[in-house]
Amino acid sequence: DTEVTQTPKHLVMGMTNKKSLKCEQHMGHRAMYWYKQKAKKPPELMFVYSYEKLSINESVPSRFSPECPNSSLLNLHLHALQPEDSALYLCASSQEAGTEETQYFGPGTRLLVL
Amino acid sequence: DAKTTQPTSMDCAEGRAANLPCNHSTISGNEYVYWYRQIHSQGPQYIIHGLKNNETNEMASLIITEDRKSSTLILPHATLRDTAVYYCIVRVVNYGGATNKLIFGTGTLLAVQP
Repeated sequence: DTEVTQTPKHLVMGMTNKKSLKCEQHMGHRAMYWYKQKAKKPPELMFVYSYEKLSINESVPSRFSPECPNSSLLNLHLHALQPEDSALYLCASSQEAGTEETQYFGPGTRLLVL
Repeated sequence: DAKTTQPTSMDCAEGRAANLPCNHSTISGNEYVYWYRQIHSQGPQYIIHGLKNNETNEMASLIITEDRKSSTLILPHATLRDTAVYYCIVRVVNYGGATNKLIFGTGTLLAVQP
């Protein structure tokens, strides 16, 4: 089983809302990632968690707050977003964060900020 | 991480081999070549990776030149379902580190024609 699941599939939110994106994997992977993908652009790394600890933050604005409650779950809390934050948010996981192991991606959450 | 250069788009006839080139002339000795693809509105899908030897799996073959400055991804018998954006990524693998970063380039849109 190489599945990474993400919920919700679609999300519409206002600029004053607070929402969360969820990601789950049951492959025993110890590294999990958030990527952001704007329309017609490649994915860009946002955060890396390794063994449930944040190891990389690619200078992401604080209105995006990641959380890794356990080794299978990864959340992305959203607050006071801007319309330019509308994008496809992708979660991925891999065995470890510093190896040649493959990253497996979920289907993404398509976010629209109004 | 080294930068990659790929053609913006390519066409291929269904049933024929698709050969997707990638230039990575500044690649370092410890950098791997990875290929992912992204079918419209889905998460990226891992295809294959290699360091210096040619690699083959059930999806594709990866041919890396002897000087490692370029590579070619080969889909032996392209089908309509192979229409996607194909990303060539060069990545440093730091064993024991926390830098499993995938830096996506702009990729090649492969259109398989019936």
